[in-house]
Amino acid sequence: DTAVSQTPKYLVTQMGNDKSIKCEQNLGHDTMYWYKQDSKKFLKIMFSYNNKELIINETVPNRFSPKSPDKAHLNLHINSLELGDSAVYFCASSRSGSTDTQYFGPGTRLTVL
Amino acid sequence: GIQVEQSPPDLILQEGANSTLRCNFSDSVNNLQWFHQNPWGQLINLFYIPSGTKQNGRLSATTVATERYSLLYISSSQTTDSGVYFCAVGLYSSASKIIFGSGTRLSIRP
Repeated sequence: DTAVSQTPKYLVTQMGNDKSIKCEQNLGHDTMYWYKQDSKKFLKIMFSYNNKELIINETVPNRFSPKSPDKAHLNLHINSLELGDSAVYFCASSRSGSTDTQYFGPGTRLTVL
Repeated sequence: GIQVEQSPPDLILQEGANSTLRCNFSDSVNNLQWFHQNPWGQLINLFYIPSGTKQNGRLSATTVATERYSLLYISSSQTTDSGVYFCAVGLYSSASKIIFGSGTRLSIRP
C-alpha cells in the first residue's frame, strides 16, 4: 500500500494551460509539503501545510495555489503554465513538521511546451 | 539564510568500494536527514539523524551538530547504491521547513 501517492506521474501540456497535481498520504501525518526539483536536481520547498493550514509559502508565484481539503490530501493547481514551470514536483509528508522523517511521493514530471 | 553544502558533487566507484559523503551546514539545525534518489527518481529516506551515529546494514551516518557537519558512509558498494544522495536540514526558525543540499551523485560501476 503506497504511503504517499501522486497523480499524474507525467504531465505534458501547452504554455498558458491550467493543470492540477493531486497528492494523498495514508500515513496519518499532520504535515504535507510540495517541493520542486529543477533540471539540475536541486530540491526546493514550495509549500507546507499542517492540519490543512498553510504554514510555509516560499515566494512561489501566485499562479501556484495549493489546496488541502483534509489533512490526508494536498493538491497543487497551476494557472497559466510557463516554460520555466517544467520540473519534477514532489509531494511529501511528515508526522509533525520538520522535526520528523519526511516521506516522499513518486514525483510528477511536468513538461510545458 | 542557511547554507547546506555537500561534497563531493560527483563520485564514481567500483563495486565493493567504500565511500564517505559529507554535508556541511552553516547554522544550528534542529534535525538532519539523508535521502537517496534512485535512478528512477524516487526519494527514499535513509536516516533521520540530528546527532550521533546510526547504522542500517551497509549504510551508517554520523552527525556532529556542534561542528555543523554530517557524514554518510557506504560500505561494500553495490550498483543499486547508484543515484543522488541528499542531506536536508530542519531550521529552528521554521517548524515545517527543511533545506536540501545540492546532492552527491554516486555512480557504482560493476
